Amino acid sequence: GENVEQHPSTLSVQEGDSAVIKCTYSDSASNYFPWYKQELGKGPQLIIDIRSNVGEKKDQRIAVTLNKTAKHFSLHITETQPEDSAVYFCAATNQAGTALIFGKGTTLSVSS
Amino acid sequence: EADIYQTPRYLVIGTGKKITLECSQTMGHDKMYWYQQDPGMELHLIHYSYGVNSTEKGDLSSESTVSRIRTEHFPLTLESARPSHTSQYLCASSNPGTAYNEQFFGPGTRLTVL
Repeated sequence: GENVEQHPSTLSVQEGDSAVIKCTYSDSASNYFPWYKQELGKGPQLIIDIRSNVGEKKDQRIAVTLNKTAKHFSLHITETQPEDSAVYFCAATNQAGTALIFGKGTTLSVSS
Repeated sequence: EADIYQTPRYLVIGTGKKITLECSQTMGHDKMYWYQQDPGMELHLIHYSYGVNSTEKGDLSSESTVSRIRTEHFPLTLESARPSHTSQYLCASSNPGTAYNEQFFGPGTRLTVL
């Protein structure tokens, strides 16, 4: 079935370092790949997304890259700050394009 | 920030009680979703709706039911709560008029069944 795998499950970095989270998806028909950030006690919030016709997208300190051939996409956070600490989810559209399939999440801890 | 609301935010209730988790959005979105989020944080789709009078079951089997009588409102009901229903429930909505399925999430309801 349709599946999104996300690694690592936990990631600890020092403030100022970069953080990279990687996801792979199984359905070659997936065409939309959002990333969500979930802080404690809140619902997930969209932080960046990428469409299948684009290889890379950047928004200030965060960027996402997409490799459609390999069916994987990655989130890159540079110059990490303590407020970046949260759970991050990747997702991909299902084959029908009617729903999102989520990865299992990565808990990012940024220590100062 | 998205205009999607969930009440209550926290609920502790005894086994066998009937409960309804409320979700409403003011964005006029047709599509709405309910996710169950387990302690490991993974999100599981349990219900979704394409619009008024439309409800569908998601990937994860759930004993809950939903209704969609109004566009802005998508309540989830458990007829008889059990400890196995203890979880975080997240509601989301999206606008099918967009080409992609960008979803906006509410803050969640944390349910504990004793």
